[in-house]
Amino acid sequence: GAGVSQTPSNKVTEKGKYVELRCDPISGHTALYWYRQSLGQGPEFLIYFQGTGAADDSGLPNDRFFAVRPEGSVSTLKIQRTERGDSAVYLCASSFGRGRGETQYFGPGTRLLVL
Amino acid sequence: AQKITQTQPGMFVQEKEAVTLDCTYDTSDPSYGLFWYKQPSSGEMIFLIYQGSYDQQNATEGRYSLNFQKARKSANLVISASQLGDSAMYFCAMRSLNSGYSTLTFGKGTMLLVSP
Repeated sequence: GAGVSQTPSNKVTEKGKYVELRCDPISGHTALYWYRQSLGQGPEFLIYFQGTGAADDSGLPNDRFFAVRPEGSVSTLKIQRTERGDSAVYLCASSFGRGRGETQYFGPGTRLLVL
Repeated sequence: AQKITQTQPGMFVQEKEAVTLDCTYDTSDPSYGLFWYKQPSSGEMIFLIYQGSYDQQNATEGRYSLNFQKARKSANLVISASQLGDSAMYFCAMRSLNSGYSTLTFGKGTMLLVSP
């Protein structure tokens, strides 16, 4: 596929459980972003990767959230001890990472519901 | 800090008519970019149009145009000849162009409904 893909598309879990959300960016894109979108809101930044390293994780709400991108392509967002307030759509975006005004292309998101 | 304000929670338009979706922004950066994204019910954010703060002309992409008024700090999206498939949420976003990268700051969005 040519676009950003995210799996799973939907995830239902119980409070206190651990979840992993996966993002597969567009081939050749070195920059990868995670956003979180709560109901009725626009997306909010979580973390940014340039290559394998997290260049900016200032948007992560607390230490229960962690993300990796070990080979500079696929990224996994990990949430420990989930809480009901973590319920949201988690969006991944990627870009070439070469220009300051360049466009970020988004995936379809993972809808997380914490019961 | 950057802020995007979209004051229209919802807009209705008849098919084939034009519609304007409002967006105002606030930033202290002298150089910035403005984006519009469409989010249908499937959830994917679809890029529509981009305007740089130093661009002399308003951006256009097919039926989409951006009415950029820098002094008013507004970047309204104009959709001409609306189609039923245009029904979706529309988000205005911005990013600073001063650093090597920056993340997008989004508004709360406007729901557009196109009726036959």
